[in-house]
Amino acid sequence: GAVVSQHPSRVICKSGTSVKIECRSLDFQATTMFWYRQFPKKSLMLMATSNEGSKATYEQGVEKDKFLINHASLTLSTLTVTSAHPEDSSFYICSAAPTSASTDTQYFGPGTRLTVL
Amino acid sequence: GENVEQHPSTLSVQEGDSAVIKCTYSDSASNYFPWYKQELGKGPQLIIDIRSNVGEKKDQRIAVTLNKTAKHFSLHITETQPEDSAVYFCAANRGSYQLTFGKGTKLSVIP
Repeated sequence: GAVVSQHPSRVICKSGTSVKIECRSLDFQATTMFWYRQFPKKSLMLMATSNEGSKATYEQGVEKDKFLINHASLTLSTLTVTSAHPEDSSFYICSAAPTSASTDTQYFGPGTRLTVL
Repeated sequence: GENVEQHPSTLSVQEGDSAVIKCTYSDSASNYFPWYKQELGKGPQLIIDIRSNVGEKKDQRIAVTLNKTAKHFSLHITETQPEDSAVYFCAANRGSYQLTFGKGTKLSVIP
């Protein structure tokens, strides 16, 4: 149980294009999902908190117009990197907090490696 | 805001020995402390967690201890195996389900 998937696992795109990453909770509902960014050999940096049916909350320094987040259902959140540039290349990981959980438990997806040429 | 410090950054142990990773947190309101294992190129996997009303929790070879007064918690892995080699992250909650992560510990188990 508690499986989170991400698609795609790896994407290469040209500078200036937009890329959409999907995050799905496969066997549970998640009112809240999170998007993280991880640089090589570094810790996870929270980018935004996504709540189903409402606007995402972005961390300080994260451009909301560049990283568009949509949480349309209790099992799906999407992150769109708009007008991607090489500095956006990174490992993007989502996590989901089960609606039924009594703790702040988060389950992570396998991550998406984005490379912008 | 919450600040989580994690030590050591790297740890090498012989197979069969124990490994201990320590974390401290700053926000006394934090009450949930998970540990994640991350293998290369993969997402973090929850391996054990503890809430502040408990001092210790154990799951087979893995245990976590929490000292709420001192604001530190530790991960203990006994009888380490090569497949335990990975990066381990501690975390503490800071409200609204959000977690603040430590910087990670790269554990290498030498056969």
